[in-house]
Order: sequence, then C-alpha cells, then structure tokens
Amino acid sequence: KAGVTQTPRYLIKTRGQQVTLSCSPISGHRSVSWYQQTPGQGLQFLFEYFSETQRNKGNFPGRFSGRQFSNSRSEMNVSTLELGDSALYLCASSLDRDSNYGYTFGSGTRLTVV
Amino acid sequence: AQKITQTQPGMFVQEKEAVTLDCTYDTSDQSYGLFWYKQPSSGEMIFLIYQGSYDEQNATEGRYSLNFQKARKSANLVISASQLGDSAMYFCAMREGPSGTYKYIFGTGTRLKVLA
Repeated sequence: KAGVTQTPRYLIKTRGQQVTLSCSPISGHRSVSWYQQTPGQGLQFLFEYFSETQRNKGNFPGRFSGRQFSNSRSEMNVSTLELGDSALYLCASSLDRDSNYGYTFGSGTRLTVV
Repeated sequence: AQKITQTQPGMFVQEKEAVTLDCTYDTSDQSYGLFWYKQPSSGEMIFLIYQGSYDEQNATEGRYSLNFQKARKSANLVISASQLGDSAMYFCAMREGPSGTYKYIFGTGTRLKVLA
C-alpha cells in the first residue's frame, strides 16, 4: 500500500513569505502528526490531528498552523517565514492515537528560507 | 532536562557484528512507551521496535531487540549481524502522558556507520 506522501519534497522561499506543506497519510490512518527536524534542535513536535481536530500542539509560535481534512489529509502552513524556519518537515501517520506500532513517516519536505 | 538522551552521536560497527545504541529516558509516568526509529539518508523515518513500560519481556523484531532496563530507565537498541544497509541515523523516542493526549519526545539520534 502507498506510504505517507508529502509534497513538495523541496521548497525554497524568501523571508516574510508563507508556505503550505501537504501530507497524505496511509489509507485508513486517522492520526497525523507534524515534526520539524533541524541539526541543532533535532525532531520537535509541531502538532497532531485526529479526525480533523487538533489534539496536541508543541511549543511553536502561532505562525505555524495546520489542519486536517475529512479524508485525513493534512496541511501545515507557516506564515511570515524566518530564516530559522529552514528545516526538514516530517509528517507521520498512525492508525489511531495510541498505536504501539509507531508512526509511519513520510520522506519530508525540505524547506529552505533565504 | 533532557527527557530522552542518546549519548553516542556516532558509532562504527563492522559488518556482521552486533552493535548497541544507547538510550536513557526520564519520566515520572508509570505508563509510557519507548520506540526506536531509523532514518536513512533519504530522510524517511522508519519504525523499528516498540517497548511498553509494563512489558516484562524485551521486545524483538528480527535483527532488532530492545534491552529494556526499567530501573535504570534505559532502552538500548541492539542490532545483531549488522548489514551495510543499517548505516543510518537512529532515534529513540518516548511516548508519555495520559491516553488521548500522548506526547512523543525524540532523542538527538545516533549516526551508525557499518563498515565492510
């Protein structure tokens, strides 16, 4: 079956712009989480959606937002981009919120802010 | 304080040998879960193994096993018979908190290089 699909794979944006990243989870997975990965900070949790509702949020400013659609696809939006937002953004899905089978991650979107 | 600590930034192992990647954690929860993920250079994180805090047996999945020592709060990953394809970053992660509001915390990772 298809894995978690993230689009686009690479993105270059200018400071001050906004960006929208997309994630299509594995079919049937209702939980979608987003992580930011940087060399300095490692993997940091952004937010989690389950059945179109944000259930958990990490410690990121309000410029970072997201949503989940009825088909479980999720989008993440970053407004007023800063240089420090350059990172690999990973989306992960799981069958339910309490899965012991771990997440299935996508290959990520590498965002570069110049 | 770090909740998940991986003290080995990089490790080398000879092909076909076993290697242990260290992970210690810190939580006051009685119920929690521990995970290991592999991240090859392609970027995709791959789930390897899970250990629940109440599981008495160490988890095993093929060549992967988790050496769980609850009193020491350690959850080391053991890879037996290393293969060249095992070269990657490895992350230890902990799931804690009440069911329904779990939080996942990842360690900083260990880069493993398997030598031919």
